[in-house]
Amino acid sequence: EDQVTQSPEALRLQEGESSSLNCSYTVSGLRGLFWYRQDPGKGPEFLFTLYSAGEEKEKERLKATLTKKESFLHITAPKPEDSATYLCAVQWSSASKIIFGSGTRLSIRP
Amino acid sequence: EPEVTQTPSHQVTQMGQEVILRCVPISNHLYFYWYRQILGQKVEFLVSFYNNEISEKSEIFDDQFSVERPDGSNFTLKIRSTKLEDSAMYFCARRALTGELFFGEGSRLTVL
Repeated sequence: EDQVTQSPEALRLQEGESSSLNCSYTVSGLRGLFWYRQDPGKGPEFLFTLYSAGEEKEKERLKATLTKKESFLHITAPKPEDSATYLCAVQWSSASKIIFGSGTRLSIRP
Repeated sequence: EPEVTQTPSHQVTQMGQEVILRCVPISNHLYFYWYRQILGQKVEFLVSFYNNEISEKSEIFDDQFSVERPDGSNFTLKIRSTKLEDSAMYFCARRALTGELFFGEGSRLTVL
C-alpha cells in the first residue's frame, strides 16, 4: 500500500532556531512530491513540487529537498508567522490520487 | 485569492439528509479533486474527476457519494444520506498541468 509518513508530529522552536521536517514515502514509481502549508480552518496552501532525487526548491525561509526515499523541508531562522501545519503529499506514477501525510504541527515562539 | 470557490462555507444537517457541496473554478479547468479532513486528522483523498468522468476514487467514496459537473462549470459533491461520521471539512482542488493541487477554502459539514 502506498504510504506517506511525516515526522515529527509536532515541533516547537524558538524564533530563529532552524530545523528540518521529514517526509518518507513508499518507494515505487514516484511521480511527484508536494509540500503544503495549512493554517487552522483553511485549505492547504501549495509550497513546492519535487520530481526527482537530488532536486531542491527554495522560497524565503523554506527549502525542500528530495532523495530516493524521503524529502526534507528545512526551515531557516523561522519567525512566528511560520507557525502552521506542514503537509507532504505524494503522487505515484500508476495513479491519479495524491496522498497526504499526517503533517507536522510547527510552532515558533517569539 | 483561492483558485476555486467552495459553497457553502458551513452546513449543518440532520443525519440521513442529502447534502450537496459546490466547487466553482475561477477559470476553465478540467481536473478536480475532492478531499475531506475530519477535525484533527489527515487530509484524505476521496475522488479525482477529469473531463467529466471519475478518474480514481478511494474506499471512502462509497455509494453514498457522487460527483457531477451539471452545467460544465460548477462541480458538486453529493452525500446522499449523511451519517454522523461524515462531519468534516470537505476541500475541492483543481490540479495544475505540473501536478500540484490548488485548494479552495473548504466547506465545513456538521451532521447532527
